[in-house]
Amino acid sequence: SYVLTQPPSVSVAPGQTARITCGGNNIGSKSVHWYQQKPGQAPVLVVYDDSDRPSGIPERFSGSNSGNTATLTISRVEAGDEADYYCQVWDSSSDHYVVFGGGTKLTVL
Amino acid sequence: QVQLQESGPGLVKPSQTLSLTCTVSGGSISSGSYYWSWIRQPAGKGLEWIGRIYTSGSTNYNPSLKSRVTISVDTSKNQFSLKLSSVTAADTAVYYCARESSDTAMGYWGQGTLVTVSS
Repeated sequence: SYVLTQPPSVSVAPGQTARITCGGNNIGSKSVHWYQQKPGQAPVLVVYDDSDRPSGIPERFSGSNSGNTATLTISRVEAGDEADYYCQVWDSSSDHYVVFGGGTKLTVL
Repeated sequence: QVQLQESGPGLVKPSQTLSLTCTVSGGSISSGSYYWSWIRQPAGKGLEWIGRIYTSGSTNYNPSLKSRVTISVDTSKNQFSLKLSSVTAADTAVYYCARESSDTAMGYWGQGTLVTVSS
């Protein structure tokens, strides 16, 4: 089965840049999606297809994907960005199913 | 704007079958080329994808749950449903329904419903 690895936590000061990684075997060949989840709320899609943003998502959120690592970058971090972030891919290698990373807690210092 | 709403019992006894329904509003479930998914999240833990259904009825399931899961769609009611059999305490979680918006990215989510498995 395909495994996505995220760091459990990332901390950043307001105004700085946060980078959250998502590791997977040859993940660069897959489309990666990113979700933001605040406490008690449903996840919200913030980046899809590696680097596209849904309407309404600030340009501060961006993504990249190459080799064995995908990265969600949040520029000019704000207190309201504090949340859990999950990466997601579709694994079509053997079984066909959605895989989520374990999630990263972003703390704004 | 598409909206999704989960419904079903909040308490299920061990060994019984968990049944949830997701009602879609703001659009027909059978229009467009979309997959409709179920995802769950135990308290304090990450997201786990359960499975999905296309409007034609074709399905994909998480291999770890496949033997216990059935997802179906009722286009006349604009709903899709989840059945998870032989539940244990490990199946206690918030259950979400969602719709894919682009290449397996889930752009629309319900608010989630807590299901507790306990006698």
